[in-house]
Amino acid sequence: DAEITQSPRHKITETGRQVTLACHQTWNHNNMFWYRQDLGHGLRLIHYSYGVQDTNKGEVSDGYSVSRSNTEDLPLTLESAASSQTSVYFCASSQHSGTGELFFGEGSRLTVL
Amino acid sequence: GENVEQHPSTLSVQEGDSAVIKCTYSDSASNYFPWYKQELGKRPQLIIDIRSNVGEKKDQRIAVTLNKTAKHFSLHITETQPEDSAVYFCAGVTSGTYKYIFGTGTRLKVLA
Repeated sequence: DAEITQSPRHKITETGRQVTLACHQTWNHNNMFWYRQDLGHGLRLIHYSYGVQDTNKGEVSDGYSVSRSNTEDLPLTLESAASSQTSVYFCASSQHSGTGELFFGEGSRLTVL
Repeated sequence: GENVEQHPSTLSVQEGDSAVIKCTYSDSASNYFPWYKQELGKRPQLIIDIRSNVGEKKDQRIAVTLNKTAKHFSLHITETQPEDSAVYFCAGVTSGTYKYIFGTGTRLKVLA
């Protein structure tokens, strides 16, 4: 079955370290998104991509970067992790047309000490 | 850009009662309004959605209404059950962007 997977599911790192969260989808969706979820803030958009070589900043992009070298993957990189980036991160994907339903991965819980 | 506000942040109802969650949006170009349910420790999942050319949509015990003039939409859950307990998120999607902007979420507790 087609799906969207994230790894790692849990990670603890130290302030200043570089961290990469992987996202892989097998639906061949053009659109991919990264959100962070924090209590009281809901789901906030970090970066998104409409296709290979396309990336765009979302609402809370400072300190994060993404790259899209193929349709299936959109890795999220924290260049220098900060305690404020402790959060649950969700990757999501959708078709470029159609119903527009957003399909989420299972989430990655990141703790920055 | 789009901004979506959601109220209330928490809602407790007795089993069998109705629950209503309200959202407002800012971008008049938004034309798609989905609702997602997130159970504890799980990923958000779509439960119902509505497009701007429709005023109301129902699916069994859940319904969504949209008022384009006032820029607000609401989720209605009737005959609530314990399994309805979860966090619910509304979202607005601006035409042509495929970019979901979510509200801050409502934690619904259904008391047995």
